[in-house]
Amino acid sequence: GAVVSQHPSWVICKSGTSVKIECRSLDFQATTMFWYRQFPKQSLMLMATSNEGSKATYEQGVEKDKFLINHASLTLSTLTVTSAHPEDSSFYICSAATAAEKLFFGSGTQLSVL
Amino acid sequence: DAKTTQPPSMDCAEGRAANLPCNHSTISGNEYVYWYRQIHSQGPQYIIHGLKNNETNEMASLIITEDRKSSTLILPHATLRDTAVYYCIVGGAGANSKLTFGKGITLSVRP
Repeated sequence: GAVVSQHPSWVICKSGTSVKIECRSLDFQATTMFWYRQFPKQSLMLMATSNEGSKATYEQGVEKDKFLINHASLTLSTLTVTSAHPEDSSFYICSAATAAEKLFFGSGTQLSVL
Repeated sequence: DAKTTQPPSMDCAEGRAANLPCNHSTISGNEYVYWYRQIHSQGPQYIIHGLKNNETNEMASLIITEDRKSSTLILPHATLRDTAVYYCIVGGAGANSKLTFGKGITLSVRP
């Protein structure tokens, strides 16, 4: 089946630094990718829709200047958490849809901000 | 907001069928029913999806009622590795359709 690769799997950073997370579709092209975050024992919350070649669409309450999304190619979207703070610590997950209506997810990135 | 409701948890014995219910009474005519599962600290795994006909694949079967207001995911022979949170989601088809997750149902498979 289709594979979505997410990197890194986990990252620890100091407060105030920026962290970049990559999401790649390995065997298909994805014009649209989605970014979610998940707090412990909670469900996934959609943050934004990443569109290749255009600006991302953010969900209500998600700061676009805080969470920068770049979808520069049909196989790569990146999420940069800028000036990270401890409250940004979370599990971040990307997903990409194939033409066959299926949405596949990456393995997630656990971000811990000290 | 999620358009589905699921019981918070259920359990079943290893080797038996696990039937996971889902209500989606406000589903639109062009919306699909998707099932995903998530094992702790991993990304969700696609299981199956359908529009109105029942579907079966190597992982599970999806039974959708005729009025499409509810569905059941069936794992025919549950194993311990099927212990996970299962999400029933309704959404549009196509690459641009975002899926909104509800709270899911925690399935515990006991030996």
